[in-house]
Amino acid sequence: DAGITQSPRYKITETGRQVTLMCHQTWSHSYMFWYRQDLGHGLRLIYYSAAADITDKGEVPDGYVVSRSKTENFPLTLESATRSQTSVYFCASGAGRENQPQHFGDGTRLSIL
Amino acid sequence: GQNIDQPTEMTATEGAIVQINCTYQTSGFNGLFWYQQHAGEAPTFLSYNVLDGLEEKGRFSSFLSRSKGYSYLLLKELQMKDSASYLCAVKTGRRALTFGSGTRLQVQP
Repeated sequence: DAGITQSPRYKITETGRQVTLMCHQTWSHSYMFWYRQDLGHGLRLIYYSAAADITDKGEVPDGYVVSRSKTENFPLTLESATRSQTSVYFCASGAGRENQPQHFGDGTRLSIL
Repeated sequence: GQNIDQPTEMTATEGAIVQINCTYQTSGFNGLFWYQQHAGEAPTFLSYNVLDGLEEKGRFSSFLSRSKGYSYLLLKELQMKDSASYLCAVKTGRRALTFGSGTRLQVQP
């Protein structure tokens, strides 16, 4: 089915570990985004990508790394996880046209102990 | 900086009408989106405004005043399934969105 999928849905890890969250979309959307959602802060942009091999920082990029070697995939890596990165992470994609919305994946709930 | 304000919580009665306000002060403006998010689920798109005025889509309507930095989402004939968080988001730059903290709406019988 067409859509945007994230994996894993739930992840528990320890501080200092590296963890990668996966995002895959089948719409061939140019733009992809990573957000984190925390109580009291709403959704905050971490990184986004306009096309393969083009990425840019968002509001809260520190401690995260992204890559986009293929249009359909946009993995997010926490190189050395910290407790403050415990959050729900949402991936989104969009066609990039002005009135076109972003479409969100189901999210990854990440806990760092 | 970017500042988007929404009420934190609202309560309304089934069958009634509720208006959720959003005020914004942003360094750019390329449109305003409203999303619905049920607990534990992904945000889903509801509406988009870029010009002043009202956009109607079934039971949901959204209004924008760019000069006032103000928008509202109007939900008519409330149903229990409308209990959710409603997120206001402004497209401030190239393609990314800046979100408010969301308004949690509880619909009571």
